[in-house]
Amino acid sequence: DGGITQSPKYLFRKEGQNVTLSCEQNLNHDAMYWYRQDPGQGLRLIYYSQIVNDFQKGDIAEGYSVSREKKESFPLTVTSAQKNPTAFYLCASSIMAGSGTGELFFGEGSRLTVL
Amino acid sequence: AQSVAQPEDQVNVAEGNPLTVKCTYSVSGNPYLFWYVQYPNRGLQFLLKYITGDNLVKGSYGFEAEFNKSQTSFHLKKPSALVSDSALYFCAVRPGGYNKLIFGAGTRLAVHP
Repeated sequence: DGGITQSPKYLFRKEGQNVTLSCEQNLNHDAMYWYRQDPGQGLRLIYYSQIVNDFQKGDIAEGYSVSREKKESFPLTVTSAQKNPTAFYLCASSIMAGSGTGELFFGEGSRLTVL
Repeated sequence: AQSVAQPEDQVNVAEGNPLTVKCTYSVSGNPYLFWYVQYPNRGLQFLLKYITGDNLVKGSYGFEAEFNKSQTSFHLKKPSALVSDSALYFCAVRPGGYNKLIFGAGTRLAVHP
């Protein structure tokens, strides 16, 4: 089935460690996004990528890094510079804006807890 | 600044009664409007969207939404609520010419038996 796969579902990290969250899609979508979700704050955009080998910062990019080496993959690294990384992270994809309505398709999320 | 507001943190409704979850927006151009639903520890699921045309759009699971341009609103509705509708609902807007969605803070819907 077509969709977006995020892994791991749950992740625990010690302070000072980097961690990478995986996001893979087989929808042939050009654009991919990473959001952070905290209780009562909705979704905040971390990074997005419209094409391979290109990505842009979202509203809360500090302490995070991404890469887009393949169309299907958009991993997110939470670095030790992120002061409050405990959150639920959501990956999404969409048909490139201009050739679609911008509707996002979401993965099931990854919950990161810093111990 | 472009924004989306969901004025109610929580909506409580009895099973079988109609429900409304409110959304208003302030964006430029002609926006595309969306509703998503999220169950605990899950990703967001698409419910419905308004692009153009009829102001009343129908979506998944019996939900519908009414676009009101003059009031810049896009309220989510369902004629008869189910306990299984209990979840977190997000309104989202893509402003005209913009390639990102702007999300509201979410409204928790609680349907009581």
